[in-house]
Amino acid sequence: GAVVSQHPSWVICKSGTSVKIECRSLDFQATTMFWYRQFPKQSLMLMATSNEGSKATYEQGVEKDKFLINHASLTLSTLTVTSAHPEDSSFYICSAGGQGGAYEQYFGPGTRLTVT
Amino acid sequence: GENVEQHPSTLSVQEGDSAVIKCTYSDSASNYFPWYKQELGKRPQLIIDIRSNVGEKKDQRIAVTLNKTAKHFSLHITETQPEDSAVYFCAASSKAAGNKLTFGGGTRVLVKP
Repeated sequence: GAVVSQHPSWVICKSGTSVKIECRSLDFQATTMFWYRQFPKQSLMLMATSNEGSKATYEQGVEKDKFLINHASLTLSTLTVTSAHPEDSSFYICSAGGQGGAYEQYFGPGTRLTVT
Repeated sequence: GENVEQHPSTLSVQEGDSAVIKCTYSDSASNYFPWYKQELGKRPQLIIDIRSNVGEKKDQRIAVTLNKTAKHFSLHITETQPEDSAVYFCAASSKAAGNKLTFGGGTRVLVKP
């Protein structure tokens, strides 16, 4: 099956700093990638949809200037959490859209962000 | 937009018994309904999915049923085992919405040996 990696798997940063998370599709080209956030004991909430070569589409309530998404190539999308605050501490998971317009999404292993 | 509700939020079953989780969705355009199993700190793992042109799908001990008219779908796990203990999420998506997945709230399943 398709493989999606994320880096780093966990990160601790200080309040006010920025953190970049990378999401890579290792064995296929992903024209669409999705970024989710999951708080403890809660469901996955879609933050934004990222299409290669174009601006990301953010879900209602997600600050686009705070969560910068770049999808520069068909195998790499990045999420940068700018001016991080403790309330941004969460599990961030990316997924890559199915090949050829197929429905299935392939999830990365997630990144645990802790802001102190 | 799509709204997916999932019940129950927790489910405790005896090993060997069946577990059923139910989800309802709001958007009649949704046509893809996956189920995921997530263990603590891990990525969601697709266990079964169903498309809107099918009413039922089975894979060994796992089955999913879909009622498009009523806009609900269910996950059935038979002969449960302790390793089935995890959080299960249903989701819905449509091509019209760019294949975005909307997740249910999750069901924490505990299989007691």
